[in-house]
Amino acid sequence: DARVTQTPRHKVTEMGQEVTMRCQPILGHNTVFWYRQTMMQGLELLAYFRNRAPLDDSGMPKDRFSAEMPDATLATLKIQPSEPRDSAVYFCASGLGGTGSQGYTFGSGTRLTVV
Amino acid sequence: DAKTTQPNSMESNEEEPVHLPCNHSTISGTDYIHWYRQLPSQGPEYVIHGLTSNVNNRMASLAIAEDRKSSTLILHRATLRDAAVYYCILRSVNSGYSTLTFGKGTMLLVSP
Repeated sequence: DARVTQTPRHKVTEMGQEVTMRCQPILGHNTVFWYRQTMMQGLELLAYFRNRAPLDDSGMPKDRFSAEMPDATLATLKIQPSEPRDSAVYFCASGLGGTGSQGYTFGSGTRLTVV
Repeated sequence: DAKTTQPNSMESNEEEPVHLPCNHSTISGTDYIHWYRQLPSQGPEYVIHGLTSNVNNRMASLAIAEDRKSSTLILHRATLRDAAVYYCILRSVNSGYSTLTFGKGTMLLVSP
């Protein structure tokens, strides 16, 4: 089965450092999401791309988070500077968007710990 | 997005059928019903979706009420590997903006 690949799987960093998380969507998928999961908030949508263009990033703290798709095979989520409250599992998902009739495929996530 | 309501948790024994309910009384005619599950330490996984008719696939069955205000995910024979959080989500068939809004889901516990 095709997979969404996320790297790194785990990241421990000090407060104030820059963190970059990467996602390789499934080939041919035109829609990419970034979600964040914490025990308190559950799964929250951070950003949403269609054909590499950002459609919605209203869930992201704009002052420190940025999401990009430099090409169709790579999506990145960057945090600068990182803070302890950013500690969470970050998931990337891809799919064929546009209607409600398709399922999305999630990666295994990046577990971020900011100390 | 229309909202869904699920029980916080359910328990089952291995090899027994499991019926996971979901209420969506404000569903619109253009909303698909999607189910995802999340196993421990993994990302969410697509399970099944439907619009009006009942659906079957290799993982599960989806039974949709005639008025579409509720649905039930059916695992025909639960295994220990089915222990997960199950999410019922509505997605509009007409929306060019089609994301997944996750609620708290139902945590399914499976006993040997």
